[in-house]
Amino acid sequence: QITLKESGPTLVKPTQTLTLTCTFSGFSLSTRGLAVGWIRQPPGKALEWLALIYWDADKRYSPSLKNRLTITKDTSKNQVVLTLTNMDPVDTATYYCAHRPYYADYFDYWGQGTLVTVSS
Amino acid sequence: QSALTQPASVSGSPGQSITISCTGTSSDVGGYDYVSWYQQHPGEAPKLMIYDVTNRPSGVSNRFSGSKSGNTASLTISGLQAEDEADYYCSSYVSSGTYVFGIGTKVTVL
Repeated sequence: QITLKESGPTLVKPTQTLTLTCTFSGFSLSTRGLAVGWIRQPPGKALEWLALIYWDADKRYSPSLKNRLTITKDTSKNQVVLTLTNMDPVDTATYYCAHRPYYADYFDYWGQGTLVTVSS
Repeated sequence: QSALTQPASVSGSPGQSITISCTGTSSDVGGYDYVSWYQQHPGEAPKLMIYDVTNRPSGVSNRFSGSKSGNTASLTISGLQAEDEADYYCSSYVSSGTYVFGIGTKVTVL
């Protein structure tokens, strides 16, 4: 059974760096073909794809945010970490991590999401 | 990359069929058969409903079906039920190796 859970601060100040951790079970990110992605959703707004990390540590970023995003993985801990620098109130959103199956191009399991508010 | 275009809202009566469109470009929807659809109820995480344009994951009702023509993909819900009332998002692989979501469609069951 695949599960994912996001953790991190619920409140950050403008200009600070956000660090979120996705802890998962039911699969190993050392398995060829798998990946974990991050997606966010501002309150009342649409989903926005942020980043993806592959089993071989290859990474992809949203073009609009790539200068501020970093995604890493710790295979031994079954964790994926997302950092977003220079936080702004417009970054207030629920942040989700999700499992991308074997050489697929969709997300079949999602975490419950974590709401991050940016405010001074 | 720009968000995929979806109608803001679609409504229908119980038992009817509705179709939600998702329009992109030749660099995303039109270029690959990698369109997926997600259902999201308020306060919940998205749920995968359709992948690779037409495929349904195990456990998803066969009332949900997907198709694509050119740069536009579509999700059809047949035999509309009250439980289908939710937000729906399309997503596509993009030529740059990234992904893009649609702006979302609110489905209302009248």
